[in-house]
Amino acid sequence: SQQGEEDPQALSIQEGENATMNCSYKTSINNLQWYRQNSGRGLVHLILIRSNEREKHSGRLRVTLDTSKKSSSLLITASRAADTASYFCATLRRGSARQLTFGSGTQLTVLP
Amino acid sequence: SQTIHQWPATLVQPVGSPLSLECTVEGTSNPNLYWYRQAAGRGLQLLFYSVGIGQISSEVPQNLSASRPQDRQFILSSKKLLLSDSGFYLCAWTGGGYTEAFFGQGTRLTVV
Repeated sequence: SQQGEEDPQALSIQEGENATMNCSYKTSINNLQWYRQNSGRGLVHLILIRSNEREKHSGRLRVTLDTSKKSSSLLITASRAADTASYFCATLRRGSARQLTFGSGTQLTVLP
Repeated sequence: SQTIHQWPATLVQPVGSPLSLECTVEGTSNPNLYWYRQAAGRGLQLLFYSVGIGQISSEVPQNLSASRPQDRQFILSSKKLLLSDSGFYLCAWTGGGYTEAFFGQGTRLTVV
């Protein structure tokens, strides 16, 4: 089964608004990552947060991680039409194995 | 710099035909390699991952197999394709340690 599950499945907002996406996972992790995918393309890495971090910023992105609740959120501030894409969280498990497993994603539409 | 090549970009194959998708990585050594499948509008399903030459871990039982004949080459194969094998296949790699993944541009496979 997939490690991460995002909600909402789809989100539609106006340009300039903030977009918040959530992710839940099940096992112990080394880190959690967020990716973006434009339609029909490969995924692009956005930000990585380690299990001992609680919050991280990168430009208009803000990620939080709550390991006690096994959840994370991605906030995109001041959204733009170009932010329209699918966003996925992914978890990398602890240990010698290197499974990198993804959730089902959130389809974000930013209306101009 | 590191790059990942995945080909072909699109493929239409009849049911029962064989499959071979190739992925190669440049600019790094001993990468962790991954094959994912993505159904339309869905998340990524981890199919196989490899931490070294000849080392393949399978995540789900299926009609597919993977091989890693060289350090930076990862091949996804099938002897006889099924209709259900249709999808968007993505190859990815990560470096040593717990790092982000870099994706190829994907192969759109349609089995007819």
